[in-house]
Amino acid sequence: DAKTTQPPSMDCAEGRAANLPCNHSTISGNEYVYWYRQIHSQGPQYIIHGLKNNETNEMASLIITEDRKSSTLILPHATLRDTAVYYCIVRVGTGGFKTIFGAGTRLFVKA
Amino acid sequence: EPEVTQTPSHQVTQMGQEVILRCVPISNHLYFYWYRQILGQKVEFLVSFYNNEISEKSEIFDDQFSVERPDGSNFTLKIRSTKLEDSAMYFCASCATGGRQPQHFGDGTRLSIL
Repeated sequence: DAKTTQPPSMDCAEGRAANLPCNHSTISGNEYVYWYRQIHSQGPQYIIHGLKNNETNEMASLIITEDRKSSTLILPHATLRDTAVYYCIVRVGTGGFKTIFGAGTRLFVKA
Repeated sequence: EPEVTQTPSHQVTQMGQEVILRCVPISNHLYFYWYRQILGQKVEFLVSFYNNEISEKSEIFDDQFSVERPDGSNFTLKIRSTKLEDSAMYFCASCATGGRQPQHFGDGTRLSIL
């Protein structure tokens, strides 16, 4: 699975958009980009995933660059409850492959 | 929304004792996983399970660990003789069909070895 690079921490004001970047310059053509988050010591929570098109769901939007070497997770209106560690993960889209977690980005949403 | 449930939420065990952690994956899912997270560290993969057998395991998953799907709903992780370093959060996850489908995680069991 390709390696990802994320900033260790970010701040965001409550109500503003949180834009979390991820670099995955060695991504392969069959690898998807997944985002998870972990609030305190809870289990990782799936947010969104994509291959090459931008994706949006009720939680977030995922913007993947045309060359697929980087992506951005957007939380459109961050709340205090969005304070968490956010993980960007790339893995192949076949089989039941394991998820390899890095250190992620610790997002602090401030009032 | 269906979710992965894990019991107990906290397990305290004496070193050397056997412990079984239990998970009920989402009902129509076919792939099952165990991960662990030592306090302050990354989430680490332990084992994946599909079609009633282990499909992949990490170096952490040695002979002291075993997994089982004893019936159609439960998925268990057993540690035969616990060590102090087994103290961690243990997360179960399941996935519908593999492929690009995401894994869904439970909220974990905190295992404390005394």
